[in-house]
Amino acid sequence: GIQVEQSPPDLILQEGANSTLRCNFSDSVNNLQWFHQNPWGQLINLFYIPSGTKQNGRLSATTVATERYSLLYISSSQTTDSGVYFCAARDYGQNFVFGPGTRLSVLP
Amino acid sequence: DSGVTQTPKHLITATGQRVTLRCSPRSGDLSVYWYQQSLDQGLQFLIQYYNGEERAKGNILERFSAQQFPDLHSELNLSSLELGDSALYFCASSPQGRSTEAFFGQGTRLTVV
Repeated sequence: GIQVEQSPPDLILQEGANSTLRCNFSDSVNNLQWFHQNPWGQLINLFYIPSGTKQNGRLSATTVATERYSLLYISSSQTTDSGVYFCAARDYGQNFVFGPGTRLSVLP
Repeated sequence: DSGVTQTPKHLITATGQRVTLRCSPRSGDLSVYWYQQSLDQGLQFLIQYYNGEERAKGNILERFSAQQFPDLHSELNLSSLELGDSALYFCASSPQGRSTEAFFGQGTRLTVV
């Protein structure tokens, strides 16, 4: 099945800093999503982005499907951005596989 | 609010017991997925149903079973519970088709004591 990797595993930022999170996947995918798991455990949909670029406020994402990676950009980070960021990919066999996550801590 | 409803939100039970977790998908979504997230771990895919039929199976233990009913809600049954089954269990739903966005419920936090 498909393998999903994320980097870095941990990231500590000062409030206001920018960051880039990376997701690599091992095979062709027809679905790529980014999620934010907040400290209360909720999984929040950030982007559905099997290809191309999308922006939502301070967050944006780019997926280059032909090169099998996706990037999540966080600009002007805030303490409320803290949590774990997951990417998840669905292969053509329908399995929806999560990466191990990037744990982000934004310090005031 | 994702539109996916999971009940109960919290559950505490003893080893050896059996519990049922319930998931109501978003209106119109035919696919339901179940995931397990143990403490400080990633999300492990358990099983997927599509319009009442099992579509894909992941790392689901034999002590666990699931089904999707005609009204499209789904239940995950966990039996002979062990301490290691303590985890956050998520349900997700997506519309018909493969290239569609999935939405997650708030999860059921299961504690086995």
